[in-house]
Amino acid sequence: SQTIHQWPATLVQPVGSPLSLECTVEGTSNPNLYWYRQAAGRGLQLLFYSVGIGQISSEVPQNLSASRPQDRQFILSSKKLLLSDSGFYLCAWSVGGASETQYFGPGTRLLVL
Amino acid sequence: AQSVTQPDIHITVSEGASLELRCNYSYGATPYLFWYVQSPGQGLQLLLKYFSGDTLVQGIKGFEAEFKRSQSSFNLRKPSVHWSDAAEYFCAVADYNTNAGKSTFGDGTTLTVKP
Repeated sequence: SQTIHQWPATLVQPVGSPLSLECTVEGTSNPNLYWYRQAAGRGLQLLFYSVGIGQISSEVPQNLSASRPQDRQFILSSKKLLLSDSGFYLCAWSVGGASETQYFGPGTRLLVL
Repeated sequence: AQSVTQPDIHITVSEGASLELRCNYSYGATPYLFWYVQSPGQGLQLLLKYFSGDTLVQGIKGFEAEFKRSQSSFNLRKPSVHWSDAAEYFCAVADYNTNAGKSTFGDGTTLTVKP
């Protein structure tokens, strides 16, 4: 069966520090991968998606970047965090195609102080 | 561009009562629609989805949803709510113009269940 992992679960970082959040998927090949941010009391905002290794699409201009160095690894990064980067970050995967379910990881709660 | 509106930010129901969560979408063609549930501090889990066929869709945990094209709605229902149903519920519409499987999510409805 497929599983998706995210780490760390919680992170407290000072403003201006770098960020690296990791997401890995097991039990499937060539998944579509997604990064979402969920601000407090808000819905999910799609940040990045990837349909293959090295292929990254950005949905919104921002202080963050994403990379996919391996088929089942998706990394969210920042060189310098802003206060507004605080939130709950969710990684998800799907087999691709609009009718397919997205499977979400447990999330990383990021607090920037 | 597609959009999803969940008009109710917060709903409170008594345990055993019926539930209906509203979802309205905007999309230029027949949409692919989803309902997900999120327990506190957790990721999202699919409850059900619609992309063709019968407009009444059955999901997990006793939930169902009805697609009404004339009203651009996809409301989620459950006949008898359990305390464990307390969570946040998200409606989503998929963009099938690409193979990226992208979805647009509503802002969510938080369900509180009273004993």
